[in-house]
Amino acid sequence: DGGITQSPKYLFRKEGQNVTLSCEQNLNHDAMYWYRQDPGQGLRLIYYSQIVNDFQKGDIAEGYSVSREKKESFPLTVTSAQKNPTAFYLCASSIRTFLFYNEKLFFGSGTQLSVL
Amino acid sequence: AQTVTQSQPEMSVQEAETVTLSCTYDTSENNYYLFWYKQPPSRQMILVIRQEAYKQQNATENRFSVNFQKAAKSFSLKISDSQLGDTAMYFCAFMTANQGGKLIFGQGTELSVKP
Repeated sequence: DGGITQSPKYLFRKEGQNVTLSCEQNLNHDAMYWYRQDPGQGLRLIYYSQIVNDFQKGDIAEGYSVSREKKESFPLTVTSAQKNPTAFYLCASSIRTFLFYNEKLFFGSGTQLSVL
Repeated sequence: AQTVTQSQPEMSVQEAETVTLSCTYDTSENNYYLFWYKQPPSRQMILVIRQEAYKQQNATENRFSVNFQKAAKSFSLKISDSQLGDTAMYFCAFMTANQGGKLIFGQGTELSVKP
């Protein structure tokens, strides 16, 4: 079945540690996104990539890094510079076409990151 | 700046009744798209309904329909014949045509459907 796979489902980070969240899609989508969700709040965009080997900062990129070496993969690293990393992280993807009116986001099942 | 506001943090409705969730947005763009996403306890984000700003006709998906008022920048979601499985967080979201998939979300409305 086609879809977006995020792993792990739960992740714990120690102080000063970098951790990487995985996001893989087999939908052949060009664009991929990382969102952060805090309790009682909506989703905020961290980073996005519209094509392989290219990515842009979203609204809250500080303390995070990404790479896009393959079309199907868009890992997110939460660095030690991110002082409040506890949140639910959602990865999404979308097809990029010139017929923009068909575009919509498909989401993975998320990763809950907590600080030990 | 573009913003999305959901003024109802929590709502409840009796099973089989109708409920309306409110959403307002702010933008100077003329070409954009509006969405309602559902997030059940599993936390999976599910697209409920989508509206293109250039379309005057309100979008409908089975029991879900929207009331899109472009001049008022309002985009409410009506759920008819509410079911227990409709219990979830509902997020209103906005995307402009030139932002390539960047969704801006509201804070969410937690809907409880009571038997």
